[in-house]
Amino acid sequence: DGGITQSPKYLFRKEGQNVTLSCEQNLNHDAMYWYRQDPGQGLRLIYYSQIVNDFQKGDIAEGYSVSREKKESFPLTVTSAQKNPTAFYLCASSIQLDPDTQYFGPGTRLTVL
Amino acid sequence: AQKVTQAQTEISVVEKEDVTLDCVYETRDTTYYLFWYKQPPSGELVFLIRRNSFDEQNEISGRYSWNFQKSTSSFNFTITASQVVDSAVYFCALMVIQGAQKLVFGQGTRLTINP
Repeated sequence: DGGITQSPKYLFRKEGQNVTLSCEQNLNHDAMYWYRQDPGQGLRLIYYSQIVNDFQKGDIAEGYSVSREKKESFPLTVTSAQKNPTAFYLCASSIQLDPDTQYFGPGTRLTVL
Repeated sequence: AQKVTQAQTEISVVEKEDVTLDCVYETRDTTYYLFWYKQPPSGELVFLIRRNSFDEQNEISGRYSWNFQKSTSSFNFTITASQVVDSAVYFCALMVIQGAQKLVFGQGTRLTINP
């Protein structure tokens, strides 16, 4: 089955630690995205990548980093510089037509203890 | 700047009632796209519909229908004969093509269908 997988579903980390969230897709999509969702709010774009080895900052990139070494994978690292990292993180992908619908993974809920 | 407003934070209705979720958007671009997504309790966003700014024709898909009116910058979503399984958070989103396909989301409307 084609789709987007995110792991883990729940993640707990101590303050001051970096943590990496996984996002993999087997849809052969060119573009991938990371969004953050806080309670009662819409999604906000963290980073996006339109092709391998290239990515751009979204609206709230501070305290986050990404890599895109493979077409299928777009991991997100939440660094200790992120002041308020507790949130629900959603990964998405699209074919990168003009335009194309973004399809979302199941999400990772990160809690900082 | 682009903005999407979903003024209804929460809606609660009894099963089989019709319900409309409002979405108002702001953009200066003439070419844009509007989306609706459903977020069930599991958390994953499920794509429902995409509309471009040149197509104001209303759309119906089963119990779901969408009313797009450029004159009022609205893209409202109606569920007819609601069911408990329709309970979810619904997001309206706007996409403007500016070098990349960036979605701007509204705050979401939490819809609860009571049996």
